[in-house]
Amino acid sequence: DVKVTQSSRYLVKRTGEKVFLECVQDMDHENMFWYRQDPGLGLRLIYFSYDVKMKEKGDIPEGYSVSREKKERFSLILESASTNQTSMYLCASSRGQGGGYTFGSGTRLTVV
Amino acid sequence: GESVGLHLPTLSVQEGDNSIINCAYSNSASDYFIWYKQESGKGPQFIIDIRSNMDKRQGQRVTVLLNKTVKHLSLQIAATQPGDSAVYFCAENSGGSNYKLTFGKGTLLTVNP
Repeated sequence: DVKVTQSSRYLVKRTGEKVFLECVQDMDHENMFWYRQDPGLGLRLIYFSYDVKMKEKGDIPEGYSVSREKKERFSLILESASTNQTSMYLCASSRGQGGGYTFGSGTRLTVV
Repeated sequence: GESVGLHLPTLSVQEGDNSIINCAYSNSASDYFIWYKQESGKGPQFIIDIRSNMDKRQGQRVTVLLNKTVKHLSLQIAATQPGDSAVYFCAENSGGSNYKLTFGKGTLLTVNP
């Protein structure tokens, strides 16, 4: 069964900590995405990557960075976590151009 | 439909009824559309997709209708079951070199037993 795996379902971190959210896909997809999802705001794109070592900013990149050293892995980094980064984080992948996404199960991050 | 303010549109149906969830998409150049289902605490799951050269596509208990004239997409669920309770949202892709999807904010479907 093909899948996108996010390393943690729930995380609690302290303000100012550096936080790593990991995502791995086993479908050999070229494209990978990080979204955050908040009530009433829908899915907002943070960063995406269309190839290894390539990355592009989404709609809300501030306070985040990403790393894609291998095709199957896309990491989201919160450089210095803040309470307004408490959210559900969703990773997704897709192949080539114009395809649908496969999502991971999400990581619910709470910053205290 | 799309959300208004901070509240998702909601649809409440009785078990066994048919459900229709609507979505107005934004880009007349979009050529690929997807419906996703998201249960509480989980990631979105693919339900059904349709390309712009079609106006109807059927799956198991689900049908997607596309009206390009008015930029409207609908998801019909036949014989709705309690397990169908979830947030449903549409996504569109404008094709070409754009591989990003644009998502609607979703509709909350509640199925009453």
